[in-house]
Amino acid sequence: DIQMTQSPSSLSASVGDRVTITCRASQGIRNDLGWYQQKPGKAPKRLIYAASSLQTGVPSRFSGSGSGTEFTLTISSLQPEDFATYYCLQHNSYPYTFGQGTKLEIK
Amino acid sequence: EVQLVESGGGLVQPGGSLRLSCAASGFTFSNFWMTWVRQAPGKGLEWVANVKQDGSEKHYVDSVKGRFTISRDNAKNSLYLQMNSLRAEDTAMYYCGRGEFWGQGTLVTVSS
Repeated sequence: DIQMTQSPSSLSASVGDRVTITCRASQGIRNDLGWYQQKPGKAPKRLIYAASSLQTGVPSRFSGSGSGTEFTLTISSLQPEDFATYYCLQHNSYPYTFGQGTKLEIK
Repeated sequence: EVQLVESGGGLVQPGGSLRLSCAASGFTFSNFWMTWVRQAPGKGLEWVANVKQDGSEKHYVDSVKGRFTISRDNAKNSLYLQMNSLRAEDTAMYYCGRGEFWGQGTLVTVSS
């Protein structure tokens, strides 16, 4: 199985900060990766697909990059509604696997 | 508007069975792979299973192989997850979805 190692596991930041979350795959997955945001008690919401494509309706402050084994999600200027937990998901080979999550908290 | 509505969750004893359903609307259901993911209380997301458009191909996470069966009925725009031999570690919120669209989940609790 492909392991997705996400870092950091938690992050404290302030409104307006730039933050970066990283996912590392245990083997190459091309660009078969998505980034999801989840708020407490809610379903996950996909922000980025194919590693760097912005989902329709998602603010442009979110961006994704990477290919192969190293991927990043960047939020250029944190807004109050961005405080949530973020997950990466690889869909290159079965079983698909999520990273363990990054909880983004208000400093 | 795309809608995915899960149902069928509840409290079940270890070793018991449940069948989850997911009613889809607002898109051409038969055109898409469909997926179940789950989230144990206080834990992260776990991909569980998916099924091809015509039901001919199915994939599972190892921990549910042989116990869970994913299926679909394209005539009814519905996705299913038959869960047998349930264990305490299967306790979770179960979400159905595809890519950018996910339902609100149905809670499965396995406990005596």
